[in-house]
Amino acid sequence: GENVEQHPSTLSVQEGDSAVIKCTYSDSASNYFPWYKQELGKGPQLIIDIRSNVGEKKDQRIAVTLNKTAKHFSLHITETQPEDSAVYFCAAGSSGTYKYIFGTGTRLKVLA
Amino acid sequence: KAGVTQTPRYLIKTRGQQVTLSCSPISGHRSVSWYQQTPGQGLQFLFEYFSETQRNKGNFPGRFSGRQFSNSRSEMNVSTLELGDSALYLCASSFGRPGETQYFGPGTRLLVL
Repeated sequence: GENVEQHPSTLSVQEGDSAVIKCTYSDSASNYFPWYKQELGKGPQLIIDIRSNVGEKKDQRIAVTLNKTAKHFSLHITETQPEDSAVYFCAAGSSGTYKYIFGTGTRLKVLA
Repeated sequence: KAGVTQTPRYLIKTRGQQVTLSCSPISGHRSVSWYQQTPGQGLQFLFEYFSETQRNKGNFPGRFSGRQFSNSRSEMNVSTLELGDSALYLCASSFGRPGETQYFGPGTRLLVL
């Protein structure tokens, strides 16, 4: 069935270092890949997304890359700050099903 | 523009009871999706409604049901609650077009005793 694998499950980095979270999807029909950040006690908030016709997208310190052939997509956070500490979820969606499959989440800790 | 709102934010029920959760989408959004979030399973898709019709459904038992009203507000009902239904229930709204960004509410935390 449809599946999104996300690694690592936890990630600790020093403030100022970079963080990379990777996801792999199984459904070849997937064409939309959002990333969400969830802080304690809040719902997930969209931070960046990418569509299958684009290989990379950047927004300030955050970037996402997509390799359609390998069915991989990754989130890159540079110059990490303590406020980046949260749980990050990747997701894959396709135009045919109107639903999204989420990864299991990565708990990012940025150490000051 | 107001975000997605969910009520109540917290709920405690006992096994066997039923519960109804409410979600008000962002103004203009016609699609509402529901997810169950647990520490072990992550975000699991329950169902999606668009213009009062269920368009998609996840792999949950029939105890989980939902509906959507003409103003796009949605409710989710869980009957005969089980301990394992304890979770954070999230709803997300969008305009409903394929492959479109969903915006999440803060969730309703349900504890079943």
